[in-house]
Amino acid sequence: GAGVSQSPSNKVTEKGKDVELRCDPISGHTALYWYRQSLGQGLEFLIYFQGNSAPDKSGLPSDRFSAERTGGSVSTLTIQRTQQEDSAVYLCASSTLSGQASFFGPGTRLTVL
Amino acid sequence: GIQVEQSPPDLILQEGANSTLRCNFSDSVNNLQWFHQNPWGQLINLFYIPSGTKQNGRLSATTVATERYSLLYISSSQTTDSGVYFCAVEGRDSSYKLIFGSGTRLLVRP
Repeated sequence: GAGVSQSPSNKVTEKGKDVELRCDPISGHTALYWYRQSLGQGLEFLIYFQGNSAPDKSGLPSDRFSAERTGGSVSTLTIQRTQQEDSAVYLCASSTLSGQASFFGPGTRLTVL
Repeated sequence: GIQVEQSPPDLILQEGANSTLRCNFSDSVNNLQWFHQNPWGQLINLFYIPSGTKQNGRLSATTVATERYSLLYISSSQTTDSGVYFCAVEGRDSSYKLIFGSGTRLLVRP
């Protein structure tokens, strides 16, 4: 596609529920990244994919967070048993190759009540 | 880990003025990028600039990697330049993750 797309744009959920966030990168981009942005923590790295593999999962805050990428394209970030501190904007980015210019999607605003 | 500091934290300009934003980083980097986050939250890539100088219209950027800083110049500012400007770096550990500074919040008044 023309740019990185993410869905949903907004998600409100109750504490303890599971959520899935989707990212569709720019066509042909092999690298995909997830970040989150919150008032207290700024922009922080979560996970990075090169193709379908995730060489760096160091930024995932807990084992409630997981992500996968299939077909070298769409990625899903799953948060299980959501907590209020998970409330943030989750941003996805892609680049042609790892370490090249990153292009961000519009984000998913997650609110955990 | 690598530290990224941006200054000033806040900046208010009159339309038409010029400004310089600074980004200091604490260690050698593989790449450095500048982003503009508009008032709707969209992050827009302005420059991929691990070293040297680039220009794009009224914006230009210079990175002096040996001295661990980068500068973003905005000339003849417009109200649409308002938002937050982020510097982000990838450390030499080749982890490909970007470490973001805390940003410079710019308001351009008409």
